[in-house]
Amino acid sequence: QQNVQQSPESLIVPEGARTSLNCTFSDSASQYFWWYRQHSGKAPKALMSIFSNGEKEEGRFTIHLNKASLHFSLHIRDSQPSDSALYLCAVSPYGGSGNKLIFGTGTLLSVKP
Amino acid sequence: DTTVKQNPRYKLARVGKPVNLICSQTMNHDTMYWYQKKPNQAPKLLLFYYDKILNREADTFEKFQSSRPNNSFCSLYIGSAGLEYSAMYLCASSRLGSSAETLYFGSGTRLTVL
Repeated sequence: QQNVQQSPESLIVPEGARTSLNCTFSDSASQYFWWYRQHSGKAPKALMSIFSNGEKEEGRFTIHLNKASLHFSLHIRDSQPSDSALYLCAVSPYGGSGNKLIFGTGTLLSVKP
Repeated sequence: DTTVKQNPRYKLARVGKPVNLICSQTMNHDTMYWYQKKPNQAPKLLLFYYDKILNREADTFEKFQSSRPNNSFCSLYIGSAGLEYSAMYLCASSRLGSSAETLYFGSGTRLTVL
């Protein structure tokens, strides 16, 4: 059974800071790796995903994957108060129908002006 | 318009009574999912429809039922609610049923069982 763990549970950073969120997983056969963001009272929304080892950058957000270490991370450059939200990492298992995402418990990020 | 709608936003139910939650999407997505989220826990997949085929997770197989009368609509049914069913229920859809597809979520229905 896939196990997905996130750290830290919560984080408070000043505006403009670089923020790093971490996720570990247990199944090395996992295929896709995702970050979702959920603002309070809103629907979770996909931020980024990655398939192969390395880095992928989209604007202020960078996702980094190391399959050998069973670890991926999200880095936010120049954090803004609007980035304050619950960040959920998720892993797509190998095979089968559907994208049966397995989520972590989330990191609650607060960016202070 | 990437919109998944869930109704109602809040639902109160009595122990032992049935509960029916509703989800709709207008994106013509093949696959629709139901997740359960409890405070401080990860969202947990309950079941999903790939086209007309229902797939239920092994550990929730007997607790939840679902129907998908057309491509746009999916419901989650609890036959006899217990206190342990109190949670946020999130519906999602994806264009195709593959691991590369983004899931689009609704804002959820918060179910409280008394």
